[in-house]
Amino acid sequence: NAGVTQTPKFRILKIGQSMTLQCTQDMNHNYMYWYRQDPGMGLKLIYYSVGAGITDKGEVPNGYNVSRSTTEDFPLRLELAAPSQTSVYFCASSYSTSVDTQYFGPGTRLTVL
Amino acid sequence: DAKTTQPPSMDCAEGRAANLPCNHSTISGNEYVYWYRQIHSQGPQYIIHGLKNNETNEMASLIITEDRKSSTLILPHATLRDTAVYYCIVPFTSGTYKYIFGTGTRLKVLA
Repeated sequence: NAGVTQTPKFRILKIGQSMTLQCTQDMNHNYMYWYRQDPGMGLKLIYYSVGAGITDKGEVPNGYNVSRSTTEDFPLRLELAAPSQTSVYFCASSYSTSVDTQYFGPGTRLTVL
Repeated sequence: DAKTTQPPSMDCAEGRAANLPCNHSTISGNEYVYWYRQIHSQGPQYIIHGLKNNETNEMASLIITEDRKSSTLILPHATLRDTAVYYCIVPFTSGTYKYIFGTGTRLKVLA
């Protein structure tokens, strides 16, 4: 199993550009999450999904959109990139909630200039 | 909403026990406390979780107070490779699948 994979690993965007961060898991997990981590800070939940077709907002959803058309994929969309979105983005998945563990991807480092 | 409080940093001598505290006074009665760590800029790694009883696995021990308002993660024999940021995690909102990773404790293991 590859686990949780994220692409790209690095990206530089100009203000106002848009992009999609890709996340794929091959563990057949129902639950998937997107976090962002600003320098020196903890992780903040952006969006999460409890299954295909079902998504919900986390702590910091503004400026982002998600979709979950399959169990495997959970892309994160930035429509109008802003410098405040410069961060490292982590995707995670798990097969249950309260007692299971979240498996994290390697992260995508995004810089908006 | 449940929140956690951890000291921002700690040092520990190599080979000694590292005791990492966390306050989670607003946690609900049926919610678990999870501990993760993040080495350098990698994705966080699961360590251990517990509800009310003390837990131990190959990585660490978790001590939860009887009132469940706080817990302590214990690394019994810290090594240089345990240098990382340690997060104590509870649900963001009671009964949901959203979890809070606070700023964590930056543990530095000293040779």
